[in-house]
Amino acid sequence: EIVLTQSPGTLSLSPGERATLSCRASQSIRSSHLAWYQQKPGQAPRLLIYGASSRATGIPDRFSGSGSGTDFTLTISRLEPEDFAVYYCQQYDSSPPTFGQGTKVEIK
Amino acid sequence: QVHLQESGPGLVKPSGTLSLTCAVSGGSISSTNWWNWVRQPPGKGLEWIGEIYHSGTTSYNPSLKSRVTISVDKSYNQFSLKLSSVTAADTAVYYCAGRRDGFASFDYWGQGTLVTVSS
Repeated sequence: EIVLTQSPGTLSLSPGERATLSCRASQSIRSSHLAWYQQKPGQAPRLLIYGASSRATGIPDRFSGSGSGTDFTLTISRLEPEDFAVYYCQQYDSSPPTFGQGTKVEIK
Repeated sequence: QVHLQESGPGLVKPSGTLSLTCAVSGGSISSTNWWNWVRQPPGKGLEWIGEIYHSGTTSYNPSLKSRVTISVDKSYNQFSLKLSSVTAADTAVYYCAGRRDGFASFDYWGQGTLVTVSS
């Protein structure tokens, strides 16, 4: 199965700062098969980005995704208070679909 | 807007069978969606369990395949999960989720339900 490794494990930033989250795959993935989710405590994951760079419905444009092959990035241009959460990348280029272990974005 | 809601026992005994149902509203279970189960042990990451199409076609995670059955009930617009021979390692929040056919992402999620395996 494809292993997704996210870095860093924790990102400590202040509101208004830029967040850059990394997701590296153990083998090349088609960009159309990479997604990003946000999860807050006690809540289900919420789809942010699909196809590596397309924002899901209702997602603010401060969230953007990029990358190809084995390296993908989620960028939050200016952190809002509601953006502090755990973020997961996920692939379904091959079965089984897998998730990264998550990056926690916390308030500095 | 599709809405998903999990239901089922919150406590299962070791060696027993975990059974959950996901009710689909705001859309038909016979639409072009794959219906999934994903779990998350307390404080840990997400693990895909398996999925089903309304035709009955299924796909399971090889790590769980021998213990998992996912089925669909079109008459009630719902789908179900059965996980047999459970142990404490199966304690987790179980989510149902929907994936559009041809897409890799899980667009719709239920709120999740905590299932604890304990005697």
